[in-house]
Amino acid sequence: AQTVTQSQPEMSVQEAETVTLSCTYDTSENNYYLFWYKQPPSRQMILVIRQEAYKQQNATENRFSVNFQKAAKSFSLKISDSQLGDTAMYFCAFNLNFGNEKLTFGTGTRLTIIP
Amino acid sequence: DTGVSQDPRHKITKRGQNVTFRCDPISEHNRLYWYRQTLGQGPEFLTYFQNEAQLEKSRLLSDRFSAERPKGSFSTLEIQRTEQGDSAMYLCASSLGAGGPDTGELFFGEGSRLTVL
Repeated sequence: AQTVTQSQPEMSVQEAETVTLSCTYDTSENNYYLFWYKQPPSRQMILVIRQEAYKQQNATENRFSVNFQKAAKSFSLKISDSQLGDTAMYFCAFNLNFGNEKLTFGTGTRLTIIP
Repeated sequence: DTGVSQDPRHKITKRGQNVTFRCDPISEHNRLYWYRQTLGQGPEFLTYFQNEAQLEKSRLLSDRFSAERPKGSFSTLEIQRTEQGDSAMYLCASSLGAGGPDTGELFFGEGSRLTVL
C-alpha cells in the first residue's frame, strides 16, 4: 500500500516570504502522479500543482513550484512571494495512475500567511 | 456555477438515524468519487463510479454505507443506523475519466459535514 507523510502539521510565514512544505511518500511502483491540493477554510479543495513521476523536470505554476526527488521519494512544495490568500490546508497526494483518480492523501499542513 | 455541488452542507443527526448526501458532479465528468475526511486527517477514499457503474469500494465502506449513481449523473451516499464514529466531512469529487486527458486531477465539492450526536 502507498503512504504519504507530511511531517509539518502547521507552518506560518510573513507575507511576501517564501515557504516550503515537505512531503514524502512510499511506493514500489515506478509510474505515478503526485499532487499538492489546497483547502482554504470552508472552501473546496483545489489542485495547486501536479507532477508525473516519469518527468525529471520539476513542475511550476506561477508562484508555486515543486522539488521532486524520485529516488528519495520526496515531493516538496515551494510557495514564493506568499500572499494572504495562500492561507489554507495543503495536502500532498499520490496516485498510481492505473486509470482512475483514487488518491492517497497525507495528513496536511496548515499554512498561515501573516500580514 | 458549474463546479461540483453537494447537499446538504451540514447535517446533524442522532445516533441510529439514516442520512443521505447528494452530489452533482461537473456535467461532462464520467467519474465520481466519495471521500471521507475526519478532523486532522487527509481525505480517505471510499468509493468511485465510472458513469453508473460502481467500480471500487474501500474497506472503510461498511455495510451501513451505500452509494448509487443511477443514471450516471448525480450520486447519493446513504449511511444507515449512524454511529458517532461516522461524524466526518464527506467529500465528493469528479473527473473526466475515460475519454478525457489522463491528468489524474480531481475536482472537489465543498463537502457535507455530518455530526452524529
